[in-house]
Amino acid sequence: DSGVTQTPKHLITATGQRVTLRCSPRSGDLSVYWYQQSLDQGLQFLIQYYNGEERAKGNILERFSAQQFPDLHSELNLSSLELGDSALYFCASSVGLADTYEQYFGPGTRLTVT
Amino acid sequence: AQTVTQSQPEMSVQEAETVTLSCTYDTSESDYYLFWYKQPPSRQMILVIRQEAYKQQNATENRFSVNFQKAAKSFSLKISDSQLGDAAMYFCAYRSARSSGSRLTFGEGTQLTVNP
Repeated sequence: DSGVTQTPKHLITATGQRVTLRCSPRSGDLSVYWYQQSLDQGLQFLIQYYNGEERAKGNILERFSAQQFPDLHSELNLSSLELGDSALYFCASSVGLADTYEQYFGPGTRLTVT
Repeated sequence: AQTVTQSQPEMSVQEAETVTLSCTYDTSESDYYLFWYKQPPSRQMILVIRQEAYKQQNATENRFSVNFQKAAKSFSLKISDSQLGDAAMYFCAYRSARSSGSRLTFGEGTQLTVNP
């Protein structure tokens, strides 16, 4: 158990819908990362937040957005869902920004768009 | 942009034998970190081993060791005395040492099968 929690574990929804994925980092971790794992794209970085502020963006679609709240939990919002958005979405957390800090992964949320 | 390539989509090994998984990467940076992650059927991402680019000594964690060749931009993982529990997808990953570059860039993965 990494200490990172993600809810829900599974999510099934229809095309065009909007969903919210939630992540609680390990206690004391200020940095949160979101990654997407799909058959087409493999594992890719989406976005990073540090202490409530966006720090880095990867290949995140405009239909996707995220935020980190004062209690440091983070939410990834996916809207106008398409079949290709079906994937495993991971959240990871680390203590801070420095390169010496490990990233600890949550168990992931499996999103199925039908 | 950095890229990570794993040229072996699948590998298999007999229990108790040794197997080596390959990884190459491309970067213009001189300071970075390399990782091997394991993803078992549970889908949890588990850190296996990490290597700092500034260290010449290859990292070792129990039965897992790496062969880091900086000039060749190669980073292979050797698993000794393979166990059934080692069966998983293995991902090689790169991370810049710049504070603004802490994202992980992953390879395509290698599915390892361990035969009893």
